[in-house]
Amino acid sequence: ETGVTQSPTHLIKTRGQQVTLRCSSQSGHNTVSWYQQALGQGPQFIFQYYREEENGRGNFPPRFSGLQFPNYSSELNVNALELDDSALYLCASSLAGQGNEKLFFGSGTQLSVL
Amino acid sequence: AQRVTQPEKLLSVFKGAPVELKCNYSYSGSPELFWYVQYSRQRLQLLLRHISRESIKGFTADLNKGETSFHLKKPFAQEEDSAMYYCALSLNNNDMRFGAGTRLTVKP
Repeated sequence: ETGVTQSPTHLIKTRGQQVTLRCSSQSGHNTVSWYQQALGQGPQFIFQYYREEENGRGNFPPRFSGLQFPNYSSELNVNALELDDSALYLCASSLAGQGNEKLFFGSGTQLSVL
Repeated sequence: AQRVTQPEKLLSVFKGAPVELKCNYSYSGSPELFWYVQYSRQRLQLLLRHISRESIKGFTADLNKGETSFHLKKPFAQEEDSAMYYCALSLNNNDMRFGAGTRLTVKP
């Protein structure tokens, strides 16, 4: 069984740039959720994708967007980066039908915006 | 507003002592609550959820709707319990609302 993998592990960008983060879901999972975790805080829900459609969204501006592919992998895109976007971005996969409680997390991508 | 509060950022106990990690929530609907744990150099993982009424690694958590709490308890802490613990509340829009976390240190 393959776990959730995220790439890259670390990334440095400058303000105003765009970034794409990638996530491969755990084998057999068809749902992917993205979270932002600022230093000293718990993860904050960005959005969820199920069967290639957005299936719920947190309180994040439209410059945060995503995609899910037929193999259930996913991308998180952030445009016009701001300094406050510096955080750990976590991807979690789950199997729809069990609710979103059984989340299997990746190790995250640490994004630094300078 | 729906939120989860973990009042203690840090908690330190001695091995063999009881431990209680506090979690309070604010939610108008019927709550679904969870505890997630992150051990050193490992990824975040589910510890337990209230609907299962299970005990994992000796930990239990009881939902108290009157006090809007879901405290995590273990009667005898072990050194391997040292980790970051997050309480989480599941919302209708597939949002999982996490608390800020409590870092538990179990001293020998």
